[in-house]
Amino acid sequence: GNSVTQMEGPVTLSEEAFLTINCTYTATGYPSLFWYVQYPGEGLQLLLKATKADDKGSNKGFEATYRKETTSFHLEKGSVQVSDSAVYFCALTDRYGNKLVFGAGTILRVKS
Amino acid sequence: DGGITQSPKYLFRKEGQNVTLSCEQNLNHDAMYWYRQDPGQGLRLIYYSQIVNDFQKGDIAEGYSVSREKKESFPLTVTSAQKNPTAFYLCASSSGYIGADTQYFGPGTRLTVL
Repeated sequence: GNSVTQMEGPVTLSEEAFLTINCTYTATGYPSLFWYVQYPGEGLQLLLKATKADDKGSNKGFEATYRKETTSFHLEKGSVQVSDSAVYFCALTDRYGNKLVFGAGTILRVKS
Repeated sequence: DGGITQSPKYLFRKEGQNVTLSCEQNLNHDAMYWYRQDPGQGLRLIYYSQIVNDFQKGDIAEGYSVSREKKESFPLTVTSAQKNPTAFYLCASSSGYIGADTQYFGPGTRLTVL
């Protein structure tokens, strides 16, 4: 079945540093790809999504590009803030399109 | 405001007791989901429902039960058969239409077995 692999954390950065969190996937068909963010003690919030190859999702300074040739959907941000500290989950739709498959999550810690 | 509510936020249970977690949505979504999250792990799907009066087992359904009598509600019962129920439980919903697959999450319920 479809699956996703994220880089292990925690990732610790100083404020204003560049962020990359790697996400690669295996899939049958043409899944949609997602990044969700979870702040401490809360549910998940959709950060961005892409539905087809070469699409770029973007939101709040974060962006990710759907790369079919490398089966990747890496999350990037040019300048992180302390408030970006959270857990980030990469996800994709399953082969039937009615469920999401989540990665294990990557903890991001940003220090001032 | 449209959204998903889960109650209670914290729940304590004695071993051997069944407990029901509430999930309500006013987004007019057809599909609803229950996930379990353990520390340092991703989300694992317990049950999902794509339409009223129908639901399917996810990856870790053993020891759990659900019902879907109303479009807005998808309660999860953690039974005494669940061997390790202490976890963070998340409910989500989506419109259910192909191509509109974004899931929206509630704030979660943290269940602790004493």
